[in-house]
Amino acid sequence: NAGVTQTPKFQVLKTGQSMTLQCAQDMNHNSMYWYRQDPGMGLRLIYYSASEGTTDKGEVPNGYNVSRLNKREFSLRLESAAPSQTSVYFCATSPANTVREYFGPGTRLTVT
Amino acid sequence: AQTVTQSQPEMSVQEAETVTLSCTYDTSENNYYLFWYKQPPSRQMILVIRQEAYKQQNATENRFSVNFQKAAKSFSLKISDSQLGDTAMYFCAPTMNRDDKIIFGKGTRLHILP
Repeated sequence: NAGVTQTPKFQVLKTGQSMTLQCAQDMNHNSMYWYRQDPGMGLRLIYYSASEGTTDKGEVPNGYNVSRLNKREFSLRLESAAPSQTSVYFCATSPANTVREYFGPGTRLTVT
Repeated sequence: AQTVTQSQPEMSVQEAETVTLSCTYDTSENNYYLFWYKQPPSRQMILVIRQEAYKQQNATENRFSVNFQKAAKSFSLKISDSQLGDTAMYFCAPTMNRDDKIIFGKGTRLHILP
């Protein structure tokens, strides 16, 4: 039982490059979330998905797209990376019958 | 704007002492949830304790307990008999919307000194 997994763990991009961060869960949770954490800040919600096939914007969605193709996986895409997107990205999941979130280990992304 | 305020950016206490981390928040909701998350240097987000706003009894988890004052919108975390492994960033995180989205405070960096 791996819980919430994220790939990659680290990534360095040049400005303008694109990439997709992957998140997978084996807990059969309905809801999935993408957060970013910047130095000196708490986590801020980028996008979330309440169920398979649905996605909604969070607090800081600009510059990102997401895809929830199945219940297990929720990906975050940066189409044209910018230095302002340098951050640590966390994926989280939540079951249907209770409010709490389970977090993945994070991805540290640096955009130069 | 909904806000979560952790007024102590950084704290240090000696091992075995008791420490209290403060948190205040602003919400117009009546039913919501409140969390404290711990983030050690490993970066992993670990749930420390969870409180449901409709419950009057304060939550406890071993050495961790909360003082939840609903009217004052205050949710402090008390760590008793602190241990070196408690060194971490601690985030207060209430759900302040109808859709139960968690809003994180900016965190308190806690150092437990030997």
